[in-house]
Amino acid sequence: GAGVSQTPSNKVTEKGKYVELRCDPISGHTALYWYRQSLGQGPEFLIYFQGTGAADDSGLPNDRFFAVRPEGSVSTLKIQRTERGDSAVYLCASSPLAGTGELFFGEGSRLTVL
Amino acid sequence: AQKITQTQPGMFVQEKEAVTLDCTYDTSDPSYGLFWYKQPSSGEMIFLIYQGSYDQQNATEGRYSLNFQKARKSANLVISASQLGDSAMYFCAMREGLGSASKIIFGSGTRLSIRP
Repeated sequence: GAGVSQTPSNKVTEKGKYVELRCDPISGHTALYWYRQSLGQGPEFLIYFQGTGAADDSGLPNDRFFAVRPEGSVSTLKIQRTERGDSAVYLCASSPLAGTGELFFGEGSRLTVL
Repeated sequence: AQKITQTQPGMFVQEKEAVTLDCTYDTSDPSYGLFWYKQPSSGEMIFLIYQGSYDQQNATEGRYSLNFQKARKSANLVISASQLGDSAMYFCAMREGLGSASKIIFGSGTRLSIRP
């Protein structure tokens, strides 16, 4: 498909473990965004990339969270020493620079930390 | 700092009636864009409508229109002739700056329920 792809769709892990969430954006979209969404709440901004560089990482909650986009396409969100409070749906979105700059979202990765 | 406020946690509307979902925003940047997204129970985020801060006319997309009141920093979504399929969470979002990618923040959302 031509949409934003996120893997895994579901991840269950134990407290203290390391987790990686992957996002494959729409081809040609230079901007990529990560959000975290808890049940019944709006998406919470984490970080966005313009090309390979993180243009704004002000939403990362602490140094356990890190994201990379080494070749300007696929991005990986990395969470170290997971905590139960990290449980949420992690949404990835990509955006072209042209037009309205609307976000095209993936279906999300649901993370559950036991 | 930019901020989005949606004051209606939930709304119930009779099918075929029009509904207005409120959104106010705060920014010091004169250039910004406003978005509305729909999130059904399936979880996907669906883009509905966009309004740029310099757009002279209110945006419209089919049954969706955006009531943009710049002086009041208000960007309410109006859905005409509501349908059962409109039941979902609705999020207002804002991007500061135009013409390039920048941070986009979302409000807390309004859960809309359409009664048959």
